[in-house]
Amino acid sequence: NAGVIQTPRHKVTGKGQEATLWCEPISGHSAVFWYRQTIVQGLEFLTYFRNQAPIDDSGMPKERFSAQMPNQSHSTLKIQSTQPQDSAVYLCASSLTSTDTEVFFGKGTRLTVV
Amino acid sequence: GDSVTQTEGPVTLSEGTSLTVNCSYETKQYPTLFWYVQYPGEGPQLLFKVPKANEKGSNRGFEATYNKEATSFHLQKASVQESDSAVYYCALGGTNTGKLTFGDGTVLTVKP
Repeated sequence: NAGVIQTPRHKVTGKGQEATLWCEPISGHSAVFWYRQTIVQGLEFLTYFRNQAPIDDSGMPKERFSAQMPNQSHSTLKIQSTQPQDSAVYLCASSLTSTDTEVFFGKGTRLTVV
Repeated sequence: GDSVTQTEGPVTLSEGTSLTVNCSYETKQYPTLFWYVQYPGEGPQLLFKVPKANEKGSNRGFEATYNKEATSFHLQKASVQESDSAVYYCALGGTNTGKLTFGDGTVLTVKP
């Protein structure tokens, strides 16, 4: 079990460019979560999927951020027109089911917008 | 909405001394409470969870009791080790969901 895999581990983008972050959940897990971690805001929930369907995106910024889960083996978080304030560590997590409270996190992608 | 407040860090201790990290929460749900630990370059890892009020969770010498009346879930360890140096997060999960609300984290440094 390789755990939740996130790629890339580090990404640097120029202001205004697009960034796509990838997540491969643990095989067999049906729930996938995205969180953002910053020094100022801490760990913030962004969105989650159950069986590939979006269930709760209440933490997603209304503009420029989107998440998809095209199949059970990966999810993407896309940020359009990146801004310096988007710089953060983006964490993906998965759990066996959406009612399972034991969630496993990946190592995160550190996004730096210059 | 849900919220979690925990001891502001950083906390610096000498090896062998005791640790308490305070955690209080607000919610209208019947939550599961968690302590997570995060090491540099890693994602948060579950230390332990407690789904029911008045029960205690423990792992690796750390323990916490889910106190529903006081809405608290304080983390304690009798004797810390240098390897315990990390960031500790108290978190709240809704009933039957993996969605978590985290506290701000407490940075613990243990000196030999």
